[in-house]
Amino acid sequence: DTEVTQTPKHLVMGMTNKKSLKCEQHMGHRAMYWYKQKAKKPPELMFVYSYEKLSINESVPSRFSPECPNSSLLNLHLHALQPEDSALYLCASSQDNGASDTQYFGPGTRLTVL
Amino acid sequence: GQSLEQPSEVTAVEGAIVQINCTYQTSGFYGLSWYQQHDGGAPTFLSYNALDGLEETGRFSSFLSRSDSYGYLLLQELQMKDSASYFCAVATGFQKLVFGTGTRLLVSP
Repeated sequence: DTEVTQTPKHLVMGMTNKKSLKCEQHMGHRAMYWYKQKAKKPPELMFVYSYEKLSINESVPSRFSPECPNSSLLNLHLHALQPEDSALYLCASSQDNGASDTQYFGPGTRLTVL
Repeated sequence: GQSLEQPSEVTAVEGAIVQINCTYQTSGFYGLSWYQQHDGGAPTFLSYNALDGLEETGRFSSFLSRSDSYGYLLLQELQMKDSASYFCAVATGFQKLVFGTGTRLLVSP
């Protein structure tokens, strides 16, 4: 199984809503990532979890709150978002063996903030 | 800062060969990866170069010259399904991947 799954596929939310994005992998990977991708732009790293601990936060606003309940699951909690936060949110995972790790991406959640 | 430059768009016909270049300036360098992303899809890993030279995987090859801070992806025997965006990405450190600007490849019949 080399698949990373993400739910929901699409999400529309208002600026006062609270919602969560979910990501799951069953490859035994110990590193999990959140990326943000705007249209026609490259993915940008947001957070990295290694062995269920937050290892990298790329100065992401606090309205985005990641959580790693266990080694297979990764959540991104959203609160008080802005319209400019509308984007494709990608989850990825890797073995966490070093800089040459291959990252496997999920299909993403397309988020629209009204 | 980090900078990875790619051509914005490349067009080619089925059966042709196309090369997508990537020049980079990053604060760290452990290797260069290439990812393919179809519209609405997930980025999919294609190749990784840590050392100078050519790596071949089927119809795709990737080249790296660390002294020139340059790499390219070579796609041979192009097929319609190869129409997608292609990103180079530099591993700048442990768990850190910085993506290039992306190249949209359009393959026509």
